[in-house]
Amino acid sequence: DIQMTQSPSSLSASVGDRVTITCQASQDIFNYLNWYQQKPGKAPKLLIFDASNLATGVPSRFSGSKSGTNFTLAISSLQPEDLATYYCQQYDNLPRTFGQGTKVEIK
Amino acid sequence: EVHLVESGGGLVQPGRSLRLSCAASGFTFDDYGMHWVRQAPGKGLEWVSGITWNSGRIAYADSVKGRFTISRDSAKKSLFLQMNSLRVEDTALYYCVKDMHPGGLNYFDNWGQGALVTVSS
Repeated sequence: DIQMTQSPSSLSASVGDRVTITCQASQDIFNYLNWYQQKPGKAPKLLIFDASNLATGVPSRFSGSKSGTNFTLAISSLQPEDLATYYCQQYDNLPRTFGQGTKVEIK
Repeated sequence: EVHLVESGGGLVQPGRSLRLSCAASGFTFDDYGMHWVRQAPGKGLEWVSGITWNSGRIAYADSVKGRFTISRDSAKKSLFLQMNSLRVEDTALYYCVKDMHPGGLNYFDNWGQGALVTVSS
């Protein structure tokens, strides 16, 4: 199975800060990566698909990119409503696998 | 608007069976792949199983292969998960999830609110 490793596991930042979360796959997954946001007590929501494409209705402060074997989710200006846990997910191989999650807190 | 409503969760003893259902509305059910994704209490997300629009491709996580069976009924616009030989480690909130595409098992596009399955003696 492809292992997805996210870093950091958690972070705390102030409103307006730029925040980045990294996801690394245990093997090459091309651009076959999605990002999800799960707010407390809610179901996850698709944020970004195919590494860099924003899902419908997602604010433009969110972006996704790839550099080498690392994928990055960035929030350009953190907002209070961005309090959530963020997960990456690969779809290069079965079974589909997720990263362990990154919890984003607001200072 | 897409609506996915899970039912059938509950408390069950180890070794017993349970069947989850998911009623879909707000989209053409026959046009999309579907999945089950679970989340153990306080833990991360785990993909369980997926099925393409025409049931032509079905896949399972290794942890449930041989015990769980996914299926879909176009007339009822419903997705199912038959869970046999349940284990304590199957305790989780089970989400019904719509894929973005019909033939792939790649994108978890819309999610239900989940059905809680608790396996305990």
